[in-house]
Amino acid sequence: EAQVTQNPRYLITVTGKKLTVTCSQNMNHEYMSWYRQDPGLGLRQIYYSMNVEVTDKGDVPEGYKVSRKEKRNFPLILESPSPNQTSLYFCASASGRSNLGEQYFGPGTRLTVT
Amino acid sequence: QQQVKQSPQSLIVQKGGISIINCAYENTAFDYFPWYQQFPGKGPALLIAIRPDVSEKKEGRFTISFNKSAKQFSLHIMDSQPGDSATYFCAARIGLRAGNMLTFGGGTRLMVKP
Repeated sequence: EAQVTQNPRYLITVTGKKLTVTCSQNMNHEYMSWYRQDPGLGLRQIYYSMNVEVTDKGDVPEGYKVSRKEKRNFPLILESPSPNQTSLYFCASASGRSNLGEQYFGPGTRLTVT
Repeated sequence: QQQVKQSPQSLIVQKGGISIINCAYENTAFDYFPWYQQFPGKGPALLIAIRPDVSEKKEGRFTISFNKSAKQFSLHIMDSQPGDSATYFCAARIGLRAGNMLTFGGGTRLMVKP
């Protein structure tokens, strides 16, 4: 089954404790992206990657890091989480051969930072 | 600021009625306008999309109307069903520019009453 998976689905942590949210896709997609979803603000892009070893900032990159060492994986790293990073996070992927408007989203990771 | 403004934030419709969600944008560089549907606990999924050279696109009960001169587009759900209850996001894409390919509206939570 073609899908984007994220782990963990739920995470409660404390301020300053480094964490990683993993994302993996099995569709051989070139493009991957991270979004955060907050009430009334829709989805805002954090980082994206056009291919292996190619990453760039989205609209709200502060406080986040990413890496793309393999085509299928695109982990999101919070080096020192803060309460304002409490949010619902989505990973997405898209084929580089499509118009990139159709993105496939993972199930989401709900993060709470206390 | 949000480049794509979506209204209303929430909507209650009786079964069989018409649900209408509106979006407005400012950036004339946007060239692709998808709508995503999100059920609770799931990631968004592409529902229907339109390009600005077309004024209307229909897929089953879902229709996008596009007004290029007014920089507005809307989603109409005909014969709304309880199973349509979800959050809907409009989005817009800027040409072939890499990265911030999808800018999302703030979302509309639709409830269809039986």
